[in-house]
Amino acid sequence: QVQLQESGPGLVKPSGTLSLTCAVSGGSISSSNWWSWVRQPPGKGLEWIGEINHSGSTNYNPSLKSRVTISVDKSRNQFSLKVNSVTAADTAVYYCGGNYGGHFDYWGQGTLVTVSS
Amino acid sequence: EIVMTQSPATLSVSPGERATLSCRASQSVRTNLAWYQQKPGQAPRLLIFGSYTRATGVPARFSGTGSGTEFTLTISSLQSEDFAVYHCQQYHNWSPLTFGGGTKVEIK
Repeated sequence: QVQLQESGPGLVKPSGTLSLTCAVSGGSISSSNWWSWVRQPPGKGLEWIGEINHSGSTNYNPSLKSRVTISVDKSRNQFSLKVNSVTAADTAVYYCGGNYGGHFDYWGQGTLVTVSS
Repeated sequence: EIVMTQSPATLSVSPGERATLSCRASQSVRTNLAWYQQKPGQAPRLLIFGSYTRATGVPARFSGTGSGTEFTLTISSLQSEDFAVYHCQQYHNWSPLTFGGGTKVEIK
């Protein structure tokens, strides 16, 4: 059973960079899954940020593409998210997920990131 | 971008009753539609993919129908553990993958 676990700072200053890592266990990141980041502002719906596969190919949400980088570290079986120039609008619970064929079979527990000075 | 619209925003149902949730896509997504259940403080859980295929371990009281732009999730007899928020998601167009705003199923 694949399990995902997010980690990273829970507080980021405005204009700074949000950095999160998702550790994959119970399976290989080199499987046929795509590995995604999804966020959920407090009390709101889900927003897909982007995804990466084991070879490093990426797809990003056009609304965030200019500020987002997703990378993969196969040796550590993990993938990461960076969001630059953050504002209060980036405050959200950030989930990592594994999607095969476009639907999300696996989810991390989520981590709240607050953007505040 | 394909916009997903869910209705109603909140559905009040008594335990044992049937719940019917709707999801509409702004353009056809064929059957590339998934449903998720999310309880407070938890990550979403995949219930249905391919519009009607239940994910592993999902009880048979959950069923999905629809194709094109109109989709329905039906919970045939609500159990206490089914009160949650339900999200639909399209994966016909991956640029970007999009979710609906969610339907909260609450106890009447």
